[in-house]
Amino acid sequence: QVQLVESGGGVVQPGRSLRLSCAASGFTFNYYGMFWVRQAPGKGLEWLAVIWSDGGKKYYADSVRGRFTISRDNSKNTVDLQMDSLRAEDTAVYYCARWGYSARQILFDLWGRGTLVTVSS
Amino acid sequence: EIVMTQSPATLSVSPGERATLSCRASQSVSSNLAWYQQKPGQAPRLLIYDASTGAAGIPARFSGSGSGTEFTLTISSLQSEDFAVYYCQQYDNWPLTFGGGTKVEIK
Repeated sequence: QVQLVESGGGVVQPGRSLRLSCAASGFTFNYYGMFWVRQAPGKGLEWLAVIWSDGGKKYYADSVRGRFTISRDNSKNTVDLQMDSLRAEDTAVYYCARWGYSARQILFDLWGRGTLVTVSS
Repeated sequence: EIVMTQSPATLSVSPGERATLSCRASQSVSSNLAWYQQKPGQAPRLLIYDASTGAAGIPARFSGSGSGTEFTLTISSLQSEDFAVYYCQQYDNWPLTFGGGTKVEIK
């Protein structure tokens, strides 16, 4: 079954760290770039980070650059998001998603169900 | 950063009617535009890419058009399962950006 399953969400205090993980199955993971996208409660979608299939290139949104780090382990079919210096405004559902199309078509063709991160004291 | 603006924010439509959703980019994105559908409590689902190409398994009642800065998603005859929030997304430039969404609700 082709799927992505996120884990690691929870309640964390401002200024602390949290690490999210996304487990992929049912497809050849090392063929695909991977993303993290978030959605604050009642709000729209915000792209956060991308990592190329070989892990050689990474891009970040300005809102998280320097605080969040995306990484992947192609031997374990996982992509992680290390989140440091968390703020209240980072409260959101965090989705991992697959870059399933060509290098020019930077699309999210497969999504996980998301994991909720709440930053609160 | 390319800003994507969707209108209207909410669209009230009766089942069987046609729905037309708009998305505007702050600068040209050529045809590098996608549409997603999101139902409550679910992840988004890719509907349309390259402005007008339907993704795999998407019903033919969903169609997209436009290029440059003006785009439209049309749902030809709304079914009960189509009531949801729809987002556009540009992939012409980094950072990838989404519109704020249009909620299609039952009239």
